[in-house]
Amino acid sequence: RKEVEQDPGPFNVPEGATVAFNCTYSNSASQSFFWYRQDCRKEPKLLMSVYSSGNEDGRFTAQLNRASQYISLLIRDSKLSDSATYLCVVSVMGGGNKLTFGTGTQLKVEL
Amino acid sequence: DGGITQSPKYLFRKEGQNVTLSCEQNLNHDAMYWYRQDPGQGLRLIYYSQIVNDFQKGDIAEGYSVSREKKESFPLTVTSAQKNPTAFYLCAISLRDRPYEQYFGPGTRLTVT
Repeated sequence: RKEVEQDPGPFNVPEGATVAFNCTYSNSASQSFFWYRQDCRKEPKLLMSVYSSGNEDGRFTAQLNRASQYISLLIRDSKLSDSATYLCVVSVMGGGNKLTFGTGTQLKVEL
Repeated sequence: DGGITQSPKYLFRKEGQNVTLSCEQNLNHDAMYWYRQDPGQGLRLIYYSQIVNDFQKGDIAEGYSVSREKKESFPLTVTSAQKNPTAFYLCAISLRDRPYEQYFGPGTRLTVT
């Protein structure tokens, strides 16, 4: 079983749609959680951290469910510029600053 | 202009040759990391360094070597012992007190034939 699992997609959605991605992690000792965005053939960029209470940044909402060991990302009012691959990332405290990356979910927002 | 620079963007080498990838930062961050990305796989950690003159192996260090002689620089050498060196190599940095918020350079695409 992979440490971090994501549906690879692609998710093709019309502009303005709401789309949600889920991610599951296997290590119950995971402490920190993040969503990164990666454009085609570019470096990943930190999109947002995920807190236990859930957090929102504009059109983006991240949720964490520790009991079920999954993380979600909700994007409202999708824009063409949201088209990218979204990487779910977790870390384990004391794991030597190690981040474990999912393989990513590809989103394509269409006119 | 500040940030993280990696050079070159594209690199081509013949099998059996060692090659060194550059990573430089002027943001005064303590920690630096090297990852590789392959199609269909998540990023995997090769090496990381939290302070000058010290570094640790990541999950896939075999066939690679690094040095950290200056805070600003963390070069990665891909040796001929690395069996599958063709990949997208990414350097990242983080602050010592926020090690899990990592920021990436633009990457180097290495092709070995």
